[in-house]
Amino acid sequence: NAGVTQTPKFQVLKTGQSMTLQCAQDMNHNSMYWYRQDPGMGLRLIYYSASEGTTDKGEVPNGYNVSRLNKREFSLRLESAAPSQTSVYFCASSERAGGTEAFFGQGTRLTVV
Amino acid sequence: QKEVEQDPGPLSVPEGAIVSLNCTYSNSAFQYFMWYRQYSRKGPELLMYTYSSGNKEDGRFTAQVDKSSKYISLFIRDSQPSDSATYLCAMTITGANNLFFGTGTRLTVIP
Repeated sequence: NAGVTQTPKFQVLKTGQSMTLQCAQDMNHNSMYWYRQDPGMGLRLIYYSASEGTTDKGEVPNGYNVSRLNKREFSLRLESAAPSQTSVYFCASSERAGGTEAFFGQGTRLTVV
Repeated sequence: QKEVEQDPGPLSVPEGAIVSLNCTYSNSAFQYFMWYRQYSRKGPELLMYTYSSGNKEDGRFTAQVDKSSKYISLFIRDSQPSDSATYLCAMTITGANNLFFGTGTRLTVIP
């Protein structure tokens, strides 16, 4: 049982480049989330998807877009990367909306130079 | 003021010690409380989940919620070196679309 799988694990981008972070879960969860984790800031919600076909902004959505491709997959896109987007990104999923008992992926370490 | 406050530590204890980790919060509407463990360069792993007030025990771990004081705790008994990690508290309310996280406490258990 893989749980929540994120790709890639590491990425270095130049300022202005774009990329998509992929996330897939095999637990048949309805809700999926993208968080970023920065030192001293904790985990902050970027976007979430309460169910297939819906997406909504979280606390820090600027500079990001998301796609809920199907029930399993939820991708995060950086259209024009900035150094402020250097962070560790986590995808999570939960059976219920709100994130209670959420399961997290292993993270993507992104550096924007 | 952050909604959830957590002392970042670091906290170092000898093997076998009882560890107490704590979070305070400002939103009295929070009803669901979680503790996550995060090993270095890994994703957070759900450790304990509690609804409303009271205690919950799972092996060496006890989660405690005091809603009147807006204070939650995680106790680790007979701590082991494998418990060395960052512990994150998280909480939310019914109908919310988000978990509110503390910044995490880094714990080291010394053999």
